[in-house]
Amino acid sequence: GQNIDQPTEMTATEGAIVQINCTYQTSGFNGLFWYQQHAGEAPTFLSYNVLDGLEEKGRFSSFLSRSKGYSYLLLKELQMKDSASYLCAGMDSNYQLIWGAGTKLIIKP
Amino acid sequence: IAGITQAPTSQILAAGRRMTLRCTQDMRHNAMYWYRQDLGLGLRLIHYSNTAGTTGKGEVPDGYSVSRANTDDFPLTLASAVPSQTSVYFCASSDSTGVTDTQYFGPGTRLTVL
Repeated sequence: GQNIDQPTEMTATEGAIVQINCTYQTSGFNGLFWYQQHAGEAPTFLSYNVLDGLEEKGRFSSFLSRSKGYSYLLLKELQMKDSASYLCAGMDSNYQLIWGAGTKLIIKP
Repeated sequence: IAGITQAPTSQILAAGRRMTLRCTQDMRHNAMYWYRQDLGLGLRLIHYSNTAGTTGKGEVPDGYSVSRANTDDFPLTLASAVPSQTSVYFCASSDSTGVTDTQYFGPGTRLTVL
């Protein structure tokens, strides 16, 4: 079967660093996506990884290990506006996205 | 440029009624998708369309139908709504060139079936 696992909720402090982990199991693999979703809003694209390694984009970085079926999203210099849910999604061989339930990130001052 | 628009923003519907959720994109994307999002669950694909004139079933298609008469519009119809269809519905589109297939989402429709 296809499955995406990520923690339900995490708490971090403003200015700190947080790592959100995701493990995936898909039928075939065409990449791993991270989206951000603020409460009551639509998901917005953050990152895409298809090769092993780290992709850095400003304060956000995403890592992929295909052999381990593992990814993480790293958020640095946390700001209050980073309080949101972070959705991990794997793209299968049919180019369909399989979504995790999301990790709710709570930022405390 | 609006991107993707959805209508209505929210709706309360009596069980048994027919309802069409509208979705329009102006990015000339080939592929479009309908998802539902329920608390504690990931986004679940209802139906999709890879190009105008074609549609396909996703993970949870029962009770829903779609059409894709042109590139821009992808309406979702609930023929006879049931309370289990209470959810937030998101429409998305992607360029589907095979490079990243990044999906872009509309603002969502919050549907309550009583």
